[in-house]
Amino acid sequence: GAVVSQHPSWVICKSGTSVKIECRSLDFQATTMFWYRQFPKQSLMLMATSNEGSKATYEQGVEKDKFLINHASLTLSTLTVTSAHPEDSSFYICSARDPIKGDVGETQYFGPGTRLLVL
Amino acid sequence: AQSVTQLDSHVSVSEGTPVLLRCNYSSSYSPSLFWYVQHPNKGLQLLLKYTSAATLVKGINGFEAEFKKSETSFHLTKPSAHMSDAAEYFCVVTDNQAGTALIFGKGTTLSVSS
Repeated sequence: GAVVSQHPSWVICKSGTSVKIECRSLDFQATTMFWYRQFPKQSLMLMATSNEGSKATYEQGVEKDKFLINHASLTLSTLTVTSAHPEDSSFYICSARDPIKGDVGETQYFGPGTRLLVL
Repeated sequence: AQSVTQLDSHVSVSEGTPVLLRCNYSSSYSPSLFWYVQHPNKGLQLLLKYTSAATLVKGINGFEAEFKKSETSFHLTKPSAHMSDAAEYFCVVTDNQAGTALIFGKGTTLSVSS
């Protein structure tokens, strides 16, 4: 099946620094990737939709200048948390849609997630 | 607009007994519905999905779900729980429009006791 990886799986950083998280589709090309945020014991909240070669579409309430998304190739999307603060600590999960397998079911494949802790 | 409601935040069962995780949805279009499972510190895994074909959908690990349009429900069931089924389960809806993201329910924590 389709595999999506994320790197790093764990990151601890100081307040005020920037952190980049990578999301890769390993065996398919993903024209669309999604970034989610999950707080402890809560559901996934969609942050933004990332389309290859164009600007990301952010959900209401998500600061685009704080969460920079770049989808420069068909297999890689990056999320950069700029000037991170403790309240940005969370579990960030990406998903990718395989356009070839993209039936009407919109099957998405999820990465394992990146846990960010800002001190 | 779409939404999904998981009716129970926590379900506890004994090993070997049936599992029922309830989910109701609303969608402006004919929806696709999914159940995902998330084990601690692991990524989301697709259990099963409904995409307007058979209303009774069989998934992995013995799980199945039935799409009932009249009740706007998509409940997840398993005849006999296993200890390894303990995890967080998410009911998810999308409306099949191009580029539409998935909408997640709040999740149901399944606990299985021996």
